[in-house]
This record gives sequence, structure tokens and C-alpha cells, in this order.
Amino acid sequence: KQEVTQIPAALSVPEGENLVLNCSFTDSAIYNLQWFRQDPGKGLTSLLLIQSSQREQTSGRLNASLDKSSGRSTLYIAASQPGDSATYLCAVDTGGFKTIFGAGTRLFVKA
Amino acid sequence: EAGVAQSPRYKIIEKRQSVAFWCNPISGHATLYWYQQILGQGPKLLIQFQNNGVVDDSQLPKDRFSAERLKGVDSTLKIQPAKLEDSAVYLCASSLRQENTGELFFGEGSRLTVL
Repeated sequence: KQEVTQIPAALSVPEGENLVLNCSFTDSAIYNLQWFRQDPGKGLTSLLLIQSSQREQTSGRLNASLDKSSGRSTLYIAASQPGDSATYLCAVDTGGFKTIFGAGTRLFVKA
Repeated sequence: EAGVAQSPRYKIIEKRQSVAFWCNPISGHATLYWYQQILGQGPKLLIQFQNNGVVDDSQLPKDRFSAERLKGVDSTLKIQPAKLEDSAVYLCASSLRQENTGELFFGEGSRLTVL
């Protein structure tokens, strides 16, 4: 059974700092992995999607990597800003139409 | 391109009452999902449709929850009777589900409070 874990559960950093959010999964047989952002009271916004054959994806200040063999993905945020404050969730598509979510990392960027 | 639409955004009911949520996915998306997100947790899949057929409803509490997707487009999720533990945000998502994509797009969610 696939399980997705995100560490840390919460993170507070000063503005301008580079940071890394971690996502681990127990079964390496995945179809893709997706990172989302969720603002309070809002739905989920897709940030990056990494297919199982890819190693990383980049969008602006965000870079997501995928290492299937070790069951890990990281989301790197460069030069963090207060507007980056949100909950970040990773979701693993196990194929067979199943997507499993982690509990998320709550990020607070201090001005 | 219009996103996933959900209504109502907020609903407050008393336990044992019923409630219904509506979702209209992105045009052309064959796959539609309903997730339940309890405060502080990640979303949990309740039911998944491929066109108007159910792909997975293994985590749907079928004694009180029901969902349908008539005509393979919009969908309704119903809870009857509601319990206190059903207080959560109900998220609808859709996916094109073609080869090498599968990207999920979410609506704003419907927040349910059961008193």
C-alpha cells in the first residue's frame, strides 16, 4: 500500500532564504508525482508535475526533483517571499487511477 | 479556459440533515474526482469517475455518501444523514487522463460544517 509522507509538517523561514520541502513515498512504482500549493480556505493549485521517466521539473523559482529508486521528491524554492506562505502538498499517482496525497508542509515566510 | 467549478462554497447544517455538493469539471476532462480534506490533513479520495462510470469508490462511506455523474460531465456528491465527523472541505478535481499527463486540476472546494 502506497504511503506518502511530507517532512517537515511546518516550516518558518525569513524572506530571501532558499528552502527545500521533502516528500517520500513507499512504493517506487509510480506514474507521476505532482506538487500543489494550497492557500487557507482555497483549493489546490498545481505547481509542478513530474512524470515517472523524468528527474526534475522547473517553473520560475520552483524546482522539483524525483528519485524513484529512493522513493523521494524534493521541492526547492529559491529566494522565498512572504507570498510563498501556504501549505505545499505532494501527490503520487500510483497508476490504476489512484493518487495518494501527503499531509502537506505548512510554510511561513517572514518579511 | 474555465477551471473546475464547485458550489456551494460554504454550508452549515445540523447532524442528521442532508447536503449536496455540485461540481462541473474542466471541459473535455473525462476523469472526475471527489476528495475529502479534514483540517490539517491531505485530501482523501472518496470516489473517482471515468466519464460516467465509477472507477474507485472504495473509501466512500456508502451508508451515508452517494455520488453520481450523469452524462459524464458534472457531478453531485450527497451526504445523508450527516455526522459531526463529516465536517471537512469537499474538493472536486478533474483530469484529462491522457498518456503521460494525468495532471489534476482542483476547484475551490465546498466547506461543510456539521453542528
